[in-house]
Amino acid sequence: AAGVIQSPRHLIKEKRETATLKCYPIPRHDTVYWYQQGPGQDPQFLISFYEKMQSDKGSIPDRFSAQQFSDYHSELNMSSLELGDSALYFCASSFRTSGGAADTQYFGPGTRLTVL
Amino acid sequence: AQTVTQSQPEMSVQEAETVTLSCTYDTSENNYYLFWYKQPPSRQMILVIRQEAYKQQNATENRFSVNFQKAAKSFSLKISDSQLGDTAMYFCAFMMFSNYQLIWGAGTKLIIKP
Repeated sequence: AAGVIQSPRHLIKEKRETATLKCYPIPRHDTVYWYQQGPGQDPQFLISFYEKMQSDKGSIPDRFSAQQFSDYHSELNMSSLELGDSALYFCASSFRTSGGAADTQYFGPGTRLTVL
Repeated sequence: AQTVTQSQPEMSVQEAETVTLSCTYDTSENNYYLFWYKQPPSRQMILVIRQEAYKQQNATENRFSVNFQKAAKSFSLKISDSQLGDTAMYFCAFMMFSNYQLIWGAGTKLIIKP
């Protein structure tokens, strides 16, 4: 079965640079979530999109922005990178039922971002 | 606010043994999901099992089963016939039907010894 695809898998950037992470959800999934996971920590929810509209917002810094496109893929844009942004960034996707209920989130392999 | 607690930071068992990981949660909601995710050293986040709160029957997936006690707000994971490949961090997570955010526990590091 098709899974969530994330690119790139690894990314190295300098401080104050920008980065763009991409996520391609499982086919027919209409909801995309972004998470940040630091070493030894549980994932922290950043933001989610449903049908190309922002759905929920978590602890996403103002320096970060994201969007979901017409083909349902999503991009997380990160500017003015800081050392503390070094982390594993997960994208997850799910299908929202006709009644609006949430469903299981399936995760991509993650993008490992290192800021030097 | 909903919280998820995993009280065992680390556990280790011998291969082929059975191990149970604990998880408790706090919520006033009635409709929700509970999940166990596994994160091996590769750091891929893999769904192990899910339980809908309205279902009384405990979910099972091959060697993995849960003991869901709704009144006690407890959701433990049992791994039978443990294998070396089960070595991973295991996260318990909660999600309401009406809110699409996962609430995570701190994780339990499980080591399977040969």
